[in-house]
Amino acid sequence: EPEVTQTPSHQVTQMGQEVILRCVPISNHLYFYWYRQILGQKVEFLVSFYNNEISEKSEIFDDQFSVERPDGSNFTLKIRSTKLEDSAMYFCASSSGGERTDTQYFGPGTRLTVL
Amino acid sequence: AQKITQTQPGMFVQEKEAVTLDCTYDTSDPSYGLFWYKQPSSGEMIFLIYQGSYDQQNATEGRYSLNFQKARKSANLVISASQLGDSAMYFCAMREGDSGYSTLTFGKGTMLLVSP
Repeated sequence: EPEVTQTPSHQVTQMGQEVILRCVPISNHLYFYWYRQILGQKVEFLVSFYNNEISEKSEIFDDQFSVERPDGSNFTLKIRSTKLEDSAMYFCASSSGGERTDTQYFGPGTRLTVL
Repeated sequence: AQKITQTQPGMFVQEKEAVTLDCTYDTSDPSYGLFWYKQPSSGEMIFLIYQGSYDQQNATEGRYSLNFQKARKSANLVISASQLGDSAMYFCAMREGDSGYSTLTFGKGTMLLVSP
């Protein structure tokens, strides 16, 4: 069964460093998303991406964040200068065609720890 | 106002019993979708079941069913014949509008513990 994959599973970084989180969405999916979950809290939307551009972004997704689809398979989230409060689980998700009944399938997550 | 409310921070159930996890939602959009995801201790988010606002029947998926009461704006997840492997965090989520790529808004989750 096709699945969303994410690498790395755990990333530890120093405050102020740049990190890139990688995702491989399900191959025939066209819509991609990033969500994050601070430890013990609910999952929050960051950004959605379609046709090589951002469709929607939340207030959390400020100038220090960026997304890219550098090739036909990868979808990346870059955090330019990490802060302590960026420590969270970051989930990538994808969905197929934008139909009302479409389901977003999530990857296993990358746990980001900022020291 | 919270768009998704899960009032049960934790639930306990014995193996083989049924359990209902509550979810109420708030939207003025006539078109929306409701989702339940399971998050085991390993952290991944696993899709369980979907209910559309226009669906006439309650969704079912194996041991999972959704008790959808549109007038009350509730979409409770029913797990029948609980198994030890059902112990996890369960999140209710909503997508508003007709577009399948609209964002998901999640509730705070309910931790379910299944005991032998």
